Amino acid sequence: GAVVSQHPSWVICKSGTSVKIECRSLDFQATTMFWYRQFPKQSLMLMATSNEGSKATYEQGVEKDKFLINHASLTLSTLTVTSAHPEDSSFYICSANTGQGQETQYFGPGTRLLVL
Amino acid sequence: QKEVEQDPGPLSVPEGAIVSLNCTYSNSAFQYFMWYRQYSRKGPELLMYTYSSGNKEDGRFTAQVDKSSKYISLFIRDSQPSDSATYLCAMSGQAGTALIFGKGTTLSVSS
Repeated sequence: GAVVSQHPSWVICKSGTSVKIECRSLDFQATTMFWYRQFPKQSLMLMATSNEGSKATYEQGVEKDKFLINHASLTLSTLTVTSAHPEDSSFYICSANTGQGQETQYFGPGTRLLVL
Repeated sequence: QKEVEQDPGPLSVPEGAIVSLNCTYSNSAFQYFMWYRQYSRKGPELLMYTYSSGNKEDGRFTAQVDKSSKYISLFIRDSQPSDSATYLCAMSGQAGTALIFGKGTTLSVSS
């Protein structure tokens, strides 16, 4: 299957700082990538859809000024959590669709964020 | 009513048992159905993908979709301790769009 990587896998930061998470498709080009958030014992909740070369589409209730998404190339999307607070602590996961008429999405390994 | 319902379990079975995992959904527009396996603190791993109704088999795993009942299932034969994980159903209505996930069912297979 297709490979999606994320970096970093773990990050601890102080409240008020910004954190950038990278999502890369390693062996395919992804016009669209998705960012999800998962709280403990909860399912994945879509935060935003990231489209290469255009603005991201955010789900209702997700602050676009707080969660900045940039999809500058066909293999890289970044999520920046600005002025992070403890309630932003969560597991952030990206996914990408291989296209070519395939619906299957491949997920990155996730980034665990802990805001102190 | 949530779009996708999935019993969170936990479900505990002995090694070698047949496991049945299920999801129901309310949106008749869903056409693409997937099952993912997620180990603790890891990203979801795609197990099975089915388009529209029907069955699909891959090794010990069988996925079934019944669109008339809005019901999907994943069967695991000869379950192994390594199958212990959370199983997430996911679905969408259009290719290339985001997935709607169930809450996940936590499975524990004891040796």
